[in-house]
Amino acid sequence: DTAVSQTPKYLVTQMGNDKSIKCEQNLGHDTMYWYKQDSKKFLKIMFSYNNKELIINETVPNRFSPKSPDKAHLNLHINSLELGDSAVYFCASSQSRAGGRQFFGPGTRLTVL
Amino acid sequence: KNEVEQSPQNLTAQEGEFITINCSYSVGISALHWLQQHPGGGIVSLFMLSSGKKKHGRLIATINIQEKHSSLHITASHPRDSAVYICAVDSSHDMRFGAGTRLTVKP
Repeated sequence: DTAVSQTPKYLVTQMGNDKSIKCEQNLGHDTMYWYKQDSKKFLKIMFSYNNKELIINETVPNRFSPKSPDKAHLNLHINSLELGDSAVYFCASSQSRAGGRQFFGPGTRLTVL
Repeated sequence: KNEVEQSPQNLTAQEGEFITINCSYSVGISALHWLQQHPGGGIVSLFMLSSGKKKHGRLIATINIQEKHSSLHITASHPRDSAVYICAVDSSHDMRFGAGTRLTVKP
């Protein structure tokens, strides 16, 4: 059983489109995260959700919006995609925001043409 | 200057060697994470530390809060340890990442 899963694994789309990436964890964790890894392989946190409350919101464009229908899911919606959004997006979860190792999803490679 | 600095950037070792990767940070933290990113891209969390030392198999992680420094050690390195190792510091409001150390272990 996959602990943290993401779909799709690859996403190729045109500039200006709206897309979503789904994330699900079956670990019973309270906190979920979204990270962006750019072409230089530098990781940056985008969002953190704990019990459906946004805890961290890095200075990401408001075109990006996390949506959590329940504790096990944190989906990432991106509106009006831009070339610079091309990256690998990782979802992760941890027992709580205060502690515990994070478990990462396999990543979604987004390419904006 | 990045708030999280790792050294070295690249490291090549022979199988069996003892490996040390260093991480220095300049911000106040509640915890420090060591992550491993495999050549295929997958990320695994190795340790989360707030003080002292942790050991898991051949991996050892230490942190000195006063000196704002952490080290990741790999004993008896093996080619399957080849990966990028990333240090990340966690505060209550933010999380910052180092640029990573690319480790190559040759047989």
